[in-house]
Amino acid sequence: DAGVTQSPTHLIKTRGQQVTLRCSPISGHKSVSWYQQVLGQGPQFIFQYYEKEERGRGNFPDRFSARQFPNYSSELNVNALLLGDSALYLCASRNSPRGQENSPLHFGNGTRLTVT
Amino acid sequence: SQKIEQNSEALNIQEGKTATLTCNYTNYSPAYLQWYRQDPGRGPVFLLLIRENEKEKRKERLKVTFDTTLKQSLFHITASQPADSATYLCALDTSGTYKYIFGTGTRLKVLA
Repeated sequence: DAGVTQSPTHLIKTRGQQVTLRCSPISGHKSVSWYQQVLGQGPQFIFQYYEKEERGRGNFPDRFSARQFPNYSSELNVNALLLGDSALYLCASRNSPRGQENSPLHFGNGTRLTVT
Repeated sequence: SQKIEQNSEALNIQEGKTATLTCNYTNYSPAYLQWYRQDPGRGPVFLLLIRENEKEKRKERLKVTFDTTLKQSLFHITASQPADSATYLCALDTSGTYKYIFGTGTRLKVLA
């Protein structure tokens, strides 16, 4: 089975622009989460979606938004890009949003966003 | 505020030795804790999960301990190999809030 896939793998944008990142979860996984990882740091939680509904949001400004589609794929949008938004954006899927303690996160390899 | 601390300095050990990585947390009582491995340019990969009522968990050459009194987890790799070189992340699941809090990770280098 294919793992979590993300596109694009790399992206260069200019300050003030908008970007859309895409994620396809593992087949059968209904929960998708987005994380931001700045160089040298651990991943930071941005959003979690389950069955197309937002189930959690981290401490990120409203410039960050996301959605989940009927096929459980997801998009992360970032508006008015800042230099500080440069990071690796990771998408992860899991079997269940909660309850199943043995349902770890399955990560994609991320989208490397550079804002100049 | 909730905080997870991992040794931010890189850990260098000789091949064949046991590597021990530490994860400390404050102001939080997680139901369980997970460890992930991350290679450069790749997403984290799940290794082990341990519940709050478990003291120790093993998988092949990996062992995780969880001390809820000390608020600490230790991650051991026995008979380490150069292929074990990577960054290791601990993560707490904030039960009921759907998000995971990750530590900053410890970079392990196993020298041949």
